[in-house]
Amino acid sequence: DQQVKQNSPSLSVQEGRISILNCDYTNSMFDYFLWYKKYPAEGPTFLISISSIKDKNEDGRFTVFLNKSAKHLSLHIVPSQPGDSAVYFCAAVNAGGTSYGKLTFGQGTILTVHP
Amino acid sequence: KAGVTQTPRYLIKTRGQQVTLSCSPISGHRSVSWYQQTPGQGLQFLFEYFSETQRNKGNFPGRFSGRQFSNSRSEMNVSTLELGDSALYLCASSLNPTGANVLTFGAGSRLTVL
Repeated sequence: DQQVKQNSPSLSVQEGRISILNCDYTNSMFDYFLWYKKYPAEGPTFLISISSIKDKNEDGRFTVFLNKSAKHLSLHIVPSQPGDSAVYFCAAVNAGGTSYGKLTFGQGTILTVHP
Repeated sequence: KAGVTQTPRYLIKTRGQQVTLSCSPISGHRSVSWYQQTPGQGLQFLFEYFSETQRNKGNFPGRFSGRQFSNSRSEMNVSTLELGDSALYLCASSLNPTGANVLTFGAGSRLTVL
């Protein structure tokens, strides 16, 4: 049972344009969401997170939006840069529960930013 | 500040063998989690250790086991290897033992089972 889904395996955008990566979840107990970026031969690195008490969190070029009623979150990258080309994973957790290190990840979206 | 260190980075085993992977967390981090990444499956949670105790376990067979030492370093073991165990095994550490965990990952150990 895939509780976190990233339905787009890949996304291609032009440098300078906006990249929008989407993520859906089914478990209503999830209340904290994270995005990770992964380059080949490296481990995932934390990008940005959002608590369910917010609907938006911004950090520089990266903004995460959360729509709790739709159980949907998205990551916006503006402007996109070639160095942003990587695999992006969304993850979710029930922060108030006994998650103990367990994040539930989506399958990932490969973002390619063309110069 | 050193990151999460995993050894070995790459290894090749044959079916039926066993393997031990090692993870040194960030200094001061006492929670260590393990994940398996296979193509198209994202990251699947294996288990988590805190203060030498396994507190959480994912849906993997008993062939997958782990432990944590008093210095927070952790090892995971896979016995009776199967072809399907070929994957990238990622270790992550965190400062907060519960709640909104931001995990810091190592580069992973790439296991190939022939």
